[in-house]
Amino acid sequence: SQQGEEDPQALSIQEGENATMNCSYKTSINNLQWYRQNSGRGLVHLILIRSNEREKHSGRLRVTLDTSKKSSSLLITASRAADTASYFCATLGRNNFNKFYFGSGTKLNVKP
Amino acid sequence: DTEVTQTPKHLVMGMTNKKSLKCEQHMGHRAMYWYKQKAKKPPELMFVYSYEKLSINESVPSRFSPECPNSSLLNLHLHALQPEDSALYLCASSQTTLAGAPRQETQYFGPGTRLLVL
Repeated sequence: SQQGEEDPQALSIQEGENATMNCSYKTSINNLQWYRQNSGRGLVHLILIRSNEREKHSGRLRVTLDTSKKSSSLLITASRAADTASYFCATLGRNNFNKFYFGSGTKLNVKP
Repeated sequence: DTEVTQTPKHLVMGMTNKKSLKCEQHMGHRAMYWYKQKAKKPPELMFVYSYEKLSINESVPSRFSPECPNSSLLNLHLHALQPEDSALYLCASSQTTLAGAPRQETQYFGPGTRLLVL
């Protein structure tokens, strides 16, 4: 299976702290994306990093990609209570480019 | 308009009922997707449509029947479901290449339909 694994499964931090989530995947990819899901709602795209990129920033988000280790991390700086959600990485494989594989997800709780 | 809408928001049905879930987007996307998500699990791909043609069926039971009547609409017809089919059903869309294969870019998700099968 190409599906990624994420850790930690759950993360609880205080507002203002940084949150780091990690994602590992199994096969070669064209890009890796991070999505956020508020409880019982649809997924919202956060950021995409291509296989030839190593780091990308978007506002308070920083994503890294290490294709040699088949892993990615998402850092949320200066977290807010509104960041409380589940975060999923998603990969789109080179050979099966129209199938998304979602990681198992990290449930982030930011305490005010 | 970057919105994908889904109706209904909630649905309760018996195992003998027939119902349909609807999804609509007006972003000009020609790839549309159905996902199933159980509680505390990631979304699982069910079907992919590209230019209104079914391109992927992830071995989904025939009690789920997708339909793409035009480039903006995607339906999922439900018949004789089982209680284990209770889940959040998510629709998504994305751009496609000129060759018709979905681009490897962002998928836009609807808010989902929460389905309960009794």
